Amino acid sequence: KNEVEQSPQNLTAQEGEFITINCSYSVGISALHWLQQHPGGGIVSLFMLSSGKKKHGRLIATINIQEKHSSLHITASHPRDSAVYICAVWSSNFGNEKLTFGTGTRLTIIP
Amino acid sequence: DTGVSQDPRHKITKRGQNVTFRCDPISEHNRLYWYRQTLGQGPEFLTYFQNEAQLEKSRLLSDRFSAERPKGSFSTLEIQRTEQGDSAMYLCASSPRPSPNTGELFFGEGSRLTVL
Repeated sequence: KNEVEQSPQNLTAQEGEFITINCSYSVGISALHWLQQHPGGGIVSLFMLSSGKKKHGRLIATINIQEKHSSLHITASHPRDSAVYICAVWSSNFGNEKLTFGTGTRLTIIP
Repeated sequence: DTGVSQDPRHKITKRGQNVTFRCDPISEHNRLYWYRQTLGQGPEFLTYFQNEAQLEKSRLLSDRFSAERPKGSFSTLEIQRTEQGDSAMYLCASSPRPSPNTGELFFGEGSRLTVL
């Protein structure tokens, strides 16, 4: 079992829909990243959070440390949001110097 | 600053050849990380540096792999006697001190290796 699990693995939605991607982890963490990866490989860090909630434009990330769960929400989704979204945690079980990644959620937004 | 840059972006090589990838982090970022990503998987940690010191290496990093950051700026990842299983995207990331709790992580575009 992976230390970081994401769901769903694939998600297809119509433009304008509200999107939720979930991330659960099984280890103690110091922080969690939500990352976006477009075709071709480039990865962009969307959020880093260790508690509560962060918002940037149409993106919202929440984390519940007690439940070891985080969600990424996209409001008013757009085709340009199509990408792979990856959850990654700084895990204290492995030291605080590297990330453990989930396998990603492939999001496709249809116009 | 143009961000983290990696070179080459794509490398096709024959099995048994040596390859070297270079990563130029964002200037003044003390920490530099190497990850490997295979198709359909999330990135896996390979190694990381703080300045010129290599502080940790994954068990994924066999003896054929070596990484350096000689002056605490750019880093190289060399794979000797490549095998088909080495085919992957090699990602570099950098972050400023202190991290991870307060530092962002910035990724390069990756170097895709294909071993024939």
